[in-house]
Parts: sequence; structure tokens; C-alpha cells
Amino acid sequence: QKEVEQNSGPLSVPEGAIASLNCTYSDRGSQSFFWYRQYSGKSPELIMFIYSNGDKEDGRFTAQLNKASQYVSLLIRDSQPSDSATYLCAVNGWSSNYQLIWGAGTKLIIKP
Amino acid sequence: DAGITQSPRYKITETGRQVTLMCHQTWSHSYMFWYRQDLGHGLRLIYYSAAADITDKGEVPDGYVVSRSKTENFPLTLESATRSQTSVYFCASRDNRSYEQYFGPGTRLTVT
Repeated sequence: QKEVEQNSGPLSVPEGAIASLNCTYSDRGSQSFFWYRQYSGKSPELIMFIYSNGDKEDGRFTAQLNKASQYVSLLIRDSQPSDSATYLCAVNGWSSNYQLIWGAGTKLIIKP
Repeated sequence: DAGITQSPRYKITETGRQVTLMCHQTWSHSYMFWYRQDLGHGLRLIYYSAAADITDKGEVPDGYVVSRSKTENFPLTLESATRSQTSVYFCASRDNRSYEQYFGPGTRLTVT
């Protein structure tokens, strides 16, 4: 069974620090990797996607992908209280390219 | 406004009743998905559709029925609601060219 694993948290980070969120996946054929942010009571919102090994930066967010080790991470620089949310990792499986496989999410708390 | 909408946003129904959750998207995306989200389970795929008149089961389809006569609409019906179907339901869509999914605002369903 294809799986995506995340630490459920909560992960507590001081305001202004770097928050690091990690995700591992089991399907070696996975090609596309996504990070969604979900505020309490709201729907998931796509914030980053990455397809190639290495880093991808977008503002304060950096996604990192290492296919050999089968992990993908999200770094949030200069963390703000508004970054407090649950972050969902999603991966498309090689054998299931019509759907995403979802992690259970990591709850991030940014402390002022 | 363009996007993906769901109705109703909140619904309370009784055990045994039929209830239909609506999903409408204006992007002309081919793929549409229904998820449920419960504490401790994350997002679980109920049904998906690759195009009008093409639907298939996801991870947890029992007790649910879908149809897709038009590209923009993807209703989800609970034929005889049970308390275990109390959940938050999200509809999502994506186009053919990429894997990222975009979510509607969700429907919070309570079955009493």
C-alpha cells in the first residue's frame, strides 16, 4: 500500500525562526509532490509543488525533494503567527496518476 | 466568480435520510474528487471522476453514490445516512495537464 508519512506534531516554532516540515513516501515511482496548508475549519490550500530533486523557493517557502531518500520537506523562513496551520503533504503515485496520496498532516504552531 | 463551490456549507440530517452534497467548478477541469476528512484519518478519497459520465471508487466508497452528467457538477449522495458519515466533505478538481488539486470550501455534515 502506497503511503505518505508525516509527523503529526504539534511542531512549535518561535516567531521569526525557520519551521521545517518533513514527509516521507513509499512509492519510488512518484513524480509530483505537493504541500498544502489548512487552517482550522478551512479547506486545504496549495502552497508549493515540486517535481525535480533539489530546492524550489517561493517567497518565504522552500520545498526540498530527495527522491533517492524518498523524502520531501517544506521550510518556512521568518515564521509568522499566521503560518500556524496544519500542513499536508501529498504525492502522486506512479501507479495512480489520477489521484494524490495524502499524509495526515503536521500541525504547526508559531509562538509570538 | 470562477472557482469551485460546494453547497450546502452545513447540513444536519437524521439517520436513514438521503442527502446530496453539491459541487460546482467553473474551470472546466476534467477531474473531480470527493474526500471526507475526519480527525485521525486525514483526507480519504470517496469517489473521483475523470470526465463527464466517468466515475470510479476511491478508498471509502461504501454508502455513497456519485454522478457526473456535466463537466462542471459532481454531486455526492448519501443514500441512507449513518452517524459514521458525520464528517467534513471536500470536493476538489484538477485539469489534465498537472496533478495539483484545488479544493472547495467544504460541507460540514452531521448525522443525528
